[in-house]
Amino acid sequence: EVQLVESGGGLVKPGGSLRLSCAASGFTFSSYSMNWVRQAPGKGLEWVSSISSSSSYIYYADSVKGRFTISRDNAKNSLYLQMNSLRAEDTAVYYCAREPEGAIHFDYWGQGTLVTVSS
Amino acid sequence: QSALTQPASVSGSPGQSITISCTGTSSDVGGYNYVSWYQQHPGKAPKLMIYDVSNRPSGVSNRFSGSKSGNTASLTISGLQAEDEADYYCSSYTSSSFRVFGGGTKLTVL
Repeated sequence: EVQLVESGGGLVKPGGSLRLSCAASGFTFSSYSMNWVRQAPGKGLEWVSSISSSSSYIYYADSVKGRFTISRDNAKNSLYLQMNSLRAEDTAVYYCAREPEGAIHFDYWGQGTLVTVSS
Repeated sequence: QSALTQPASVSGSPGQSITISCTGTSSDVGGYNYVSWYQQHPGKAPKLMIYDVSNRPSGVSNRFSGSKSGNTASLTISGLQAEDEADYYCSSYTSSSFRVFGGGTKLTVL
């Protein structure tokens, strides 16, 4: 069974940093691209970042470029999102989502981790 | 990176059919056959319902279908059931190699 479990969310002050993790199991992690998608309270989905299976291709939404860094460790079946210079508008539930290599859709999602940026 | 345009809400009675539209540009929806649709119940993670415009993943009811014409994609749900009440989001690949979502549509089953 495919499982994606996010962790690392919490309350952080504006300007602070946080590192999210996503633990994957039930599939060959190294064969899939992975993404972070976020959802602000009561709002819609927003794509944040994408990383290919071998980390060769990395993309960021303009709203986070230069502040967030996506990475993965295929040996540990884990995906990460390092978030720096956090702003109030980064407050959201952050989901990790699997994307079949060469495809453009998210076929499995984690349950999300809440990040709250507030003083 | 503007969000794709979806109606804020749609509604229908059990057994009826409804269609949710998703309008983009030639740089996203109109330029690629990479439109997908997601269903999200309150407090839950999104679930893939349609990918590559009109393909259904294994396990998704055939009451769900997708199509595209020009810069507008559509999700049709036939034989509406109470369990279909949820938020629905479209997504597309973009010319910048990004992914973009629609603003979401709340489906109410009357």
